[in-house]
Amino acid sequence: SAVISQKPSRDICQRGTSLTIQCQVDSQVTMMFWYRQQPGQSLTLIATANQGSEATYESGFVIDKFPISRPNLTFSTLTVSNMSPEDSSIYLCSVEPGLRTKRFFGPGTRLTVL
Amino acid sequence: GIQVEQSPPDLILQEGANSTLRCNFSDSVNNLQWFHQNPWGQLINLFYIPSGTKQNGRLSATTVATERYSLLYISSSQTTDSGVYFCAGPVAGKGGSEKLVFGKGTKLTVNP
Repeated sequence: SAVISQKPSRDICQRGTSLTIQCQVDSQVTMMFWYRQQPGQSLTLIATANQGSEATYESGFVIDKFPISRPNLTFSTLTVSNMSPEDSSIYLCSVEPGLRTKRFFGPGTRLTVL
Repeated sequence: GIQVEQSPPDLILQEGANSTLRCNFSDSVNNLQWFHQNPWGQLINLFYIPSGTKQNGRLSATTVATERYSLLYISSSQTTDSGVYFCAGPVAGKGGSEKLVFGKGTKLTVNP
């Protein structure tokens, strides 16, 4: 299993600003995944982050809007840039501790943009 | 890409009742997973079940991979079972990874 923490747990931000979300895992993992969950919706993958390489983004998500860092095997950050009210969502990081095993999720960051 | 359909979208039960949630896939999957999202937003992995049947307390899951569906059974439901249940299956992602594709979920409400 994996224990994942995220900071902040929630935030209220003004439009046009940026917020950086941190994800910390209690064990080394190769890949970390960032998801967005808009209100009342399912989860959508934003990007996959490997240590030592650039993140790979899913269709509809771009690096300028959601820059990701992955400095080591236990930590990653996601920045939501130039925010608008449409960015109001829960942002979750996820890991897969072993190949083709359970995926685990952090507690999420609940973001509200005014 | 793979399509994941869950039914029913909403379910209301009285405490103590049993229920079955269904997940259909448009293509074969090899590591289907069930999650419970509680009212506070926390996602808990319930089962990793590529095929066969697994049980964990009052919950059990069955995946019939050849027929592209999985079922989640909840017996003797409790109010703490309320929340949204998601199933998810893998598809090939970019860079050689596998990404999970989620269904839209079943929202379960258990009343006392």
